[in-house]
Order: sequence, then structure tokens, then C-alpha cells
Amino acid sequence: GAVVSQHPSRVICKSGTSVKIECRSLDFQATTMFWYRQFPKQSLMLMATSNEGSKATYEQGVEKDKFLINHASLTLSTLTVTSAHPEDSSFYICSASPPDRSVNEQFFGPGTRLTVL
Amino acid sequence: KNQVEQSPQSLIILEGKNCTLQCNYTVSPFSNLRWYKQDTGRGPVSLTIMTFSENTKSNGRYTATLDADTKQSSLHITASQLSDSASYICVVSRTSNTNAGKSTFGDGTTLTVKP
Repeated sequence: GAVVSQHPSRVICKSGTSVKIECRSLDFQATTMFWYRQFPKQSLMLMATSNEGSKATYEQGVEKDKFLINHASLTLSTLTVTSAHPEDSSFYICSASPPDRSVNEQFFGPGTRLTVL
Repeated sequence: KNQVEQSPQSLIILEGKNCTLQCNYTVSPFSNLRWYKQDTGRGPVSLTIMTFSENTKSNGRYTATLDADTKQSSLHITASQLSDSASYICVVSRTSNTNAGKSTFGDGTTLTVKP
């Protein structure tokens, strides 16, 4: 149990376009999901906390108008990178914690590799 | 400042050998420490999670230790296999965190197991 999926696994887009990444908790409901960004040879950096039914909480330095987060249901959160630029190219990972587990026991999705040309 | 430092940054070992990865932290007050394995191009997968009262926890060939007094943890890998080649990330959470995502991540140790 406690499986988190992401779609797509890889996406290549042109500069200026928008890209949507989905994060799903397959076998549990998650009121909170987390979005991370990871650059090569670096650790995960928390971008924002996605809250079901309310606005996401963004970390300092993360532009909320550029990285739109929508947590429309208890099993789905989406991250939309708007007007993508090459510097947005990165590995995006989401995570969630099942309600019956410790709040700090996160389960990560497989990640989405975004390449902006 | 809450920090998690891992060493070594990278490590190369021969298949079948054992190795130990280190994690030192200054996160306080301490809630739990987790070790993850991240294969290249994949999301992290949980190996162990330890709370303040736990000194050691095993998951197959992986054994994690925790010394909450010295704020140190280690991950020992026994009889390494080629599939153990990955990045190993140490993550520490504070008790004041209601938000699990606000854990402190180490930079990881990149392990390469060679035949």
C-alpha cells in the first residue's frame, strides 16, 4: 500500500508553454501533498504544500503564479508550470502521507523529468 | 540553523562488500530520522524510519543506527549488490513540524557498486 504515482514521467516542451504534472495517491486519501524540485546532483527542495480544498502554501522564493497547484480531490494534486523557461528544467517529485501513518512518513512519487527547450 | 550533513558525498565499493554511510544533524527538537534510497531518475523510496527511542532498525541488508545524544545516524549496507547503486538521502523532522514536507533533507551520498 501507500503508492504515489505521477504523470507524465517525462515531458519536453517549448519555452513559453505551460505544463501540467499530476500526482495521485493510488490507495489512500491524502489531504496534504508536497511538491519538490530536484536539480542534478542536489537533494530535494520543497516547493509547496498542496492542501485539499484550500490554497497551497509556497516556500520562500517559489513564485505561486508560475507554479500553480490545485488539490481538487483527496487523491489528486496537480502542478502547472506556466510560461516555462529552460531554467525550469528539473526533476519534479511529489509526496504524500497516508492518514494511518506517522505524519512524517512520506511516500514519494516516481518523479517527472521536465525539459524546456 | 537546522541542518543535515551526509558523508561521504560519494562512495565506490566492490560488489559483495559492506559499507557505512553517515548522517549528522542539528535539527531540534528531534522527531524522527528517515533514510531513503533514490535510484537515478526515480523518486526516493523509504528504507527506515527511526524515532528518538530507537537505536537501530533493519530492513533486509540495510541497517540504520541512531544516536540521539550525539545527533548521528548511520546506514550500513551488508553484502552490497549492483542494484544498491543509488543516492541515499537522510531526512530529519522536528517535533514542531505538523507539516511533514518541512523536513530537513541531506544532500545524499551517491553509492556506486562495481562488479
